[in-house]
Amino acid sequence: DAGVIQSPRHEVTEMGQEVTLRCKPISGHNSLFWYRQTMMRGLELLIYFNNNVPIDDSGMPEDRFSAKMPNASFSTLKIQPSEPRDSAVYFCASGLSDYPDTQYFGPGTRLTVL
Amino acid sequence: AQKVTQAQTEISVVEKEDVTLDCVYETRDTTYYLFWYKQPPSGELVFLIRRNSFDEQNEISGRYSWNFQKSTSSFNFTITASQVVDSAVYFCALSEANGANSKLTFGKGITLSVRP
Repeated sequence: DAGVIQSPRHEVTEMGQEVTLRCKPISGHNSLFWYRQTMMRGLELLIYFNNNVPIDDSGMPEDRFSAKMPNASFSTLKIQPSEPRDSAVYFCASGLSDYPDTQYFGPGTRLTVL
Repeated sequence: AQKVTQAQTEISVVEKEDVTLDCVYETRDTTYYLFWYKQPPSGELVFLIRRNSFDEQNEISGRYSWNFQKSTSSFNFTITASQVVDSAVYFCALSEANGANSKLTFGKGITLSVRP
């Protein structure tokens, strides 16, 4: 079975540019999570969806960040405009929320904002 | 609020040594889940184990074992006869069983280096 798929795996962009990260969860999973990992702050939950509906976005740093889940098999995390402090590894994870279950993580997207 | 503390930041051992990674958690809930994840140098996060708060039985999987003690709010992870391939960052995490709210709170991670 395919795991969580994220694209791109690496992204290098310049400050001010729009960045879109993509995630395809494991088929059948109904929860999707976006995390950010930095050396300073570790792993932080940004937002999570249940049945395509955003449940908690309190971790989203500011209005420059937005996330969507138009259907059960696709989600995006967008940063506009990007800043150097957004440089991090962004992970997408999926799981089953009907009964709190294990979250399976994608390989991550390493974002570098110059 | 829930919290996970991994007091050890870096551990270095020689191959074949046993090593224990500590995890202490805080939660107000009586029902919760504890996890360990491994992040090897390649960067992905690999699920290792999940334990619910009602099951205090220790678990063994090959060279890995986990000791869950509610009395001390700890969920420690032991690697027996460590190998170089065990070198990674290990994260302990907590999830409160609250309906659809299953977000994870991670500890800061422990960097384990196993030297040949």
